[in-house]
Amino acid sequence: AQTVTQSQPEMSVQEAETVTLSCTYDTSESDYYLFWYKQPPSRQMILVIRQEAYKQQNATENRFSVNFQKAAKSFSLKISDSQLGDAAMYFCAYRDYGGSQGNLIFGKGTKLSVKP
Amino acid sequence: DAGITQSPRHKVTETGTPVTLRCHQTENHRYMYWYRQDPGHGLRLIHYSYGVKDTDKGEVSDGYSVSRSKTEDFLLTLESATSSQTSVYFCAISEAPGGSGEKLFFGSGTQLSVL
Repeated sequence: AQTVTQSQPEMSVQEAETVTLSCTYDTSESDYYLFWYKQPPSRQMILVIRQEAYKQQNATENRFSVNFQKAAKSFSLKISDSQLGDAAMYFCAYRDYGGSQGNLIFGKGTKLSVKP
Repeated sequence: DAGITQSPRHKVTETGTPVTLRCHQTENHRYMYWYRQDPGHGLRLIHYSYGVKDTDKGEVSDGYSVSRSKTEDFLLTLESATSSQTSVYFCAISEAPGGSGEKLFFGSGTQLSVL
């Protein structure tokens, strides 16, 4: 069975600095998707970034980028120029390529604090 | 924002009582999902539906049942609530499975406390 591991329960970053959140996963599949979701105190789940395993190029979305290492089964999220609004829980998630879009396996999350 | 409404937003109930949570969508999406979120566990899939009257189990389905008699409504029922089912429950919806587009939308969650 697929698993997703986030080894950092909590992280802290100074405003305007850069922080990297770690995620590793285990799967025997060769095609799959990986995601980072943000959950602020409002509880809303917000998709931050998405990576297809067959694409070698790392996904980027404005200040958010990933370092996808398929052989190492690693999928870290880098947040540049951190802002106070980035403070939230961040969840890494995995989905098989052929699965429905909601059949996600989530990690346990990393709580990110941003210091002014 | 996608049209997803979860009701109730909060509920407190007693052990052994039946509880039904409702998810209502106005997007006409085919797939609907129920997750639970517990501290230290992230979100875990309970059940999902891929059409009217078509449902399947997720990772943590024991103690839960679901029904979908209309495209827009997906009900989650706890036949006899237990304290271990105290959690935040999220509904989500999506269009066709797989594909290159990511269109998974989440509701705002229901906080359920079983005393």
